[in-house]
Amino acid sequence: GEDVEQSLFLSVREGDSSVINCTYTDSSSTYLYWYKQEPGAGLQLLTYIFSNMDMKQDQRLTVLLNKKDKHLSLRIADTQTGDSAIYFCAERRGGGSQGNLIFGKGTKLSVKP
Amino acid sequence: GAGVSQSPSNKVTEKGKDVELRCDPISGHTALYWYRQSLGQGLEFLIYFQGNSAPDKSGLPSDRFSAERTGGSVSTLTIQRTQQEDSAVYLCASSLVPGFNEQYFGPGTRLTVT
Repeated sequence: GEDVEQSLFLSVREGDSSVINCTYTDSSSTYLYWYKQEPGAGLQLLTYIFSNMDMKQDQRLTVLLNKKDKHLSLRIADTQTGDSAIYFCAERRGGGSQGNLIFGKGTKLSVKP
Repeated sequence: GAGVSQSPSNKVTEKGKDVELRCDPISGHTALYWYRQSLGQGLEFLIYFQGNSAPDKSGLPSDRFSAERTGGSVSTLTIQRTQQEDSAVYLCASSLVPGFNEQYFGPGTRLTVT
């Protein structure tokens, strides 16, 4: 399909790991991103991965990229209540340098104490 | 300011009226993007500016939508003859140069058309 797809909801308990999955569409996408949107706030870039990488780790965040399957995941270790937000997967499609992003619909993460 | 700012933060308008939404990007950022976030639809790319010119207007949903950017800085998104389906949060983002990794987003303008 032409859409970036991700599941709409994920619920975890505080202290557990969260894994948010995404499938993207363009095998020539150069960068893939995870953005976080807290209630009433704008989008905040969490992390990104270049398409020639398989994995990127940044503190509690781990991004895994499977180019063959066009699958991206974000793992949040030791999830806290402050991680409750909507997480958007986005791709920057190949061709051109303008850099506009194609977003998924977002996954709402709820963290229960 | 330190970040991207947008005004107004909320706008309620009657169907058929025109509205203008404003974006102040981060100083020195040459690229500016407008997106729309509709309920259940995720974020949709509308238009992109490099300096004052808009090489890509392909995302604008209809000819009622237009945008301009002046002085390589402030941008205005105008919606003429608003319709209820225009109700959404309109987000602006800027980046240092086009294609630069990080786009910094503003808090958005929530538009409600009654």
